[in-house]
Amino acid sequence: NAGVMQNPRHLVRRRGQEARLRCSPMKGHSHVYWYRQLPEEGLKFMVYLQKENIIDESGMPKERFSAEFPKEGPSILRIQQVVRGDSAAYFCASSSQESGNTIYFGEGSWLTVV
Amino acid sequence: GEDVEQSLFLSVREGDSSVINCTYTDSSSTYLYWYKQEPGAGLQLLTYIFSNMDMKQDQRLTVLLNKKDKHLSLRIADTQTGDSAIYFCAESIGGSYIPTFGRGTSLIVHP
Repeated sequence: NAGVMQNPRHLVRRRGQEARLRCSPMKGHSHVYWYRQLPEEGLKFMVYLQKENIIDESGMPKERFSAEFPKEGPSILRIQQVVRGDSAAYFCASSSQESGNTIYFGEGSWLTVV
Repeated sequence: GEDVEQSLFLSVREGDSSVINCTYTDSSSTYLYWYKQEPGAGLQLLTYIFSNMDMKQDQRLTVLLNKKDKHLSLRIADTQTGDSAIYFCAESIGGSYIPTFGRGTSLIVHP
């Protein structure tokens, strides 16, 4: 049973470009969470989604950031017009009703903005 | 201040016990977690404790929860060099299973 899969693992973008990060949850999981880890900091919650619905986006920056989890396919975290401060590791996690309080993390996507 | 606080670094000798401490602010925390992150990798759930428990033991790991003081600790017995990593404390509150993380404690194990 494959774990949470994120791609790309590493992404380099120039300032002003768009970054798209993808996350395929564990098989059977319908809940997806995105976290951001800035250098030397802990993980900060960004958004929680279920299929086709954003449940909690209280941690998402108001501009340039968006997330979706369509009925088919992976969850996408999209960052438009990237700036240097967006450089970070972006982690996706997933869970299911059965996994209860346990969420499982992917290996992360490292975004570098040059 | 932060909702979940941890000291940033801990250095121990191989074979000794490590104790990583964490304090949290929300008394309605339901679950408290310890995650491990190795360099360049994702977070691995080590263990968690429900808020009505005081202690949980799992092989070399012992979790102690002092709910009155809102203090959580992770003890690693017989620490090995492979235990060197960043350890994150996290809490989730009420019916939400969205963990809030501390900044992590870097554990350095030296011979």
